[in-house]
Amino acid sequence: NAGVTQTPKFQVLKTGQSMTLQCAQDMNHEYMSWYRQDPGMGLRLIHYSVGAGITDQGEVPNGYNVSRSTTEDFPLRLLSAAPSQTSVYFCASTPDQGLGEKLFFGSGTQLSVL
Amino acid sequence: DQQVKQNSPSLSVQEGRISILNCDYTNSMFDYFLWYKKYPAEGPTFLISISSIKDKNEDGRFTVFLNKSAKHLSLHIVPSQPGDSAVYFCAASSGGSNYKLTFGKGTLLTVNP
Repeated sequence: NAGVTQTPKFQVLKTGQSMTLQCAQDMNHEYMSWYRQDPGMGLRLIHYSVGAGITDQGEVPNGYNVSRSTTEDFPLRLLSAAPSQTSVYFCASTPDQGLGEKLFFGSGTQLSVL
Repeated sequence: DQQVKQNSPSLSVQEGRISILNCDYTNSMFDYFLWYKKYPAEGPTFLISISSIKDKNEDGRFTVFLNKSAKHLSLHIVPSQPGDSAVYFCAASSGGSNYKLTFGKGTLLTVNP
């Protein structure tokens, strides 16, 4: 039972480089989200998707791009990496909206931008 | 402006005693509250939740209390065990949008044997 799978687990980038953080879920969940966790800041929502082909911005979307071509995959793209994007990134999914539903998280990608 | 606040960065308790983690919120539109537990190098895992129509929800050793008038919730762990040592995040959502959670900064709980 894989759940939410994130790759890579660790990544080091130079300022200005671009990369894609991968996220896949095998639970047929409609809703997917990306969060970043910084020391002393908790988790903050970057982008989310309510279904294939539909995405929207969260609290801290600048510098990131997302797309949702399939139900299973929700990649996060860093267009031009900056040191301020050094963080731990978590992808999450949930089957439906409504009371009683909860987010299932992946194990995270630790990103360092030098 | 932080909408979900966990004012205690850390808490240390003895094994077998009660752990009480607190959370305050400012957004009156929040109607669903969740607690997540996080171990180092792992993703957060769901622990327990409560709807705004209730004031208490219990699951084994874990109980969450909600005081809507005070915009305050708390997580009680009884009895505390060393395996409970982790960071605990309080989170909230509104209108059934549980894919858009607002998190607090977390509280590091250490349970000493």
